[in-house]
Amino acid sequence: QKEVEQDPGPLSVPEGAIVSLNCTYSNSAFQYFMWYRQYSRKGPELLMYTYSSGNKEDGRFTAQVDKSSKYISLFIRDSQPSDSATYLCALALGGNNRLAFGKGNQVVVIP
Amino acid sequence: GAVVSQHPSWVICKSGTSVKIECRSLDFQATTMFWYRQFPKQSLMLMATSNEGSKATYEQGVEKDKFLINHASLTLSTLTVTSAHPEDSSFYICSASRTSGRSGETQYFGPGTRLLVL
Repeated sequence: QKEVEQDPGPLSVPEGAIVSLNCTYSNSAFQYFMWYRQYSRKGPELLMYTYSSGNKEDGRFTAQVDKSSKYISLFIRDSQPSDSATYLCALALGGNNRLAFGKGNQVVVIP
Repeated sequence: GAVVSQHPSWVICKSGTSVKIECRSLDFQATTMFWYRQFPKQSLMLMATSNEGSKATYEQGVEKDKFLINHASLTLSTLTVTSAHPEDSSFYICSASRTSGRSGETQYFGPGTRLLVL
């Protein structure tokens, strides 16, 4: 079983729709949870970072963590064409900062 | 803050030559830097972790003599692909973690270097 499971998609949505992405993980020792956005031919850009169960909002983005179910989600409200990218979840145990990545979810927002 | 640069952004070289890629943290000091490679439509694969002033720790299956990593200062790490072959063609991305002393400090990624070996 892989450390982190993320359905690679792709996911196409109309502009203005809510995008819902999620990852599951198997190791309950993960303490830090991140979402990165990666545009084509670019490096990943940190979107959200959290370390506790519950919701964290930043503008149109909401990260949700459920440690009991080992499940994390990213929601994008009022999606825009500029949100079209690949979204990667990443988890860390802490300490050595090594990240375990999901496969990435390609999102296309259609104008 | 937390800007990481890479140079060059792309490079084409002949088979058998060596290529050096630089990774710099521009506005913070990075105790730890990471090197990844990424194939099209796939996730990032960690190659090695480097700490300033010490030898890099390579992931299983990554040849340390082929991918030489030097982390000479808190703002610079280099990856040298020695005797490059066409199968080394890939997108190489570095990341850096700040020296905050706080566990779980996240990684900030560079823009990547696209390597094509002919």
